[in-house]
Amino acid sequence: GAVVSQHPSWVICKSGTSVKIECRSLDFQATTMFWYRQFPKQSLMLMATSNEGSKATYEQGVEKDKFLINHASLTLSTLTVTSAHPEDSSFYICSAIDRGSKETQYFGPGTRLLVL
Amino acid sequence: AQSVTQLGSHVSVSEGALVLLRCNYSSSVPPYLFWYVQYPNQGLQLLLKYTTGATLVKGINGFEAEFKKSETSFHLTKPSAHMSDAAEYFCAVSQAGTALIFGKGTTLSVSS
Repeated sequence: GAVVSQHPSWVICKSGTSVKIECRSLDFQATTMFWYRQFPKQSLMLMATSNEGSKATYEQGVEKDKFLINHASLTLSTLTVTSAHPEDSSFYICSAIDRGSKETQYFGPGTRLLVL
Repeated sequence: AQSVTQLGSHVSVSEGALVLLRCNYSSSVPPYLFWYVQYPNQGLQLLLKYTTGATLVKGINGFEAEFKKSETSFHLTKPSAHMSDAAEYFCAVSQAGTALIFGKGTTLSVSS
């Protein structure tokens, strides 16, 4: 089946630093990837839609200058949390849609970010 | 706009009992419907999905769900609960090529 990987799986950083999270589709091409955020004991909330070769579309309330998304190829999207603060600590999950079949999104294993 | 409501944030059953997790959706167009399971500190695993065709959908681990358009529901069932089924379950709705809209989740507890 289709596999999506995320790297790193765990990251701890100091407040004010930037953190980059990678999302890769390993065995399919994904023209569209999504970034979600999940706070403890809560559901997943869509942050942004990442389209290959174009600017990301951000959901209301998500700061595009703080959460930089780049989708430079059909298999890679990156999310950079700039000037991270403790309130950015969360579980970040990406998903990808196979360009050949748009019915199912394949989710990555998630990246847990802890900002001290 | 699409939305999902999961009735009951916490469901407790005994091992061997029927599992029923409720999901109602709202969508102005024919929806794609999904159930995902999440174990502690892990990502999401797809249990089953409905896109078109047969309204009774069978998934992994003995779970199934039935799409009822008249009731705008997509409830998840399993005839006999197992201890390993204890987890967080999310119902989600989308259209082809769009992001998933998730419900708030239901925590399933299974007691011996």
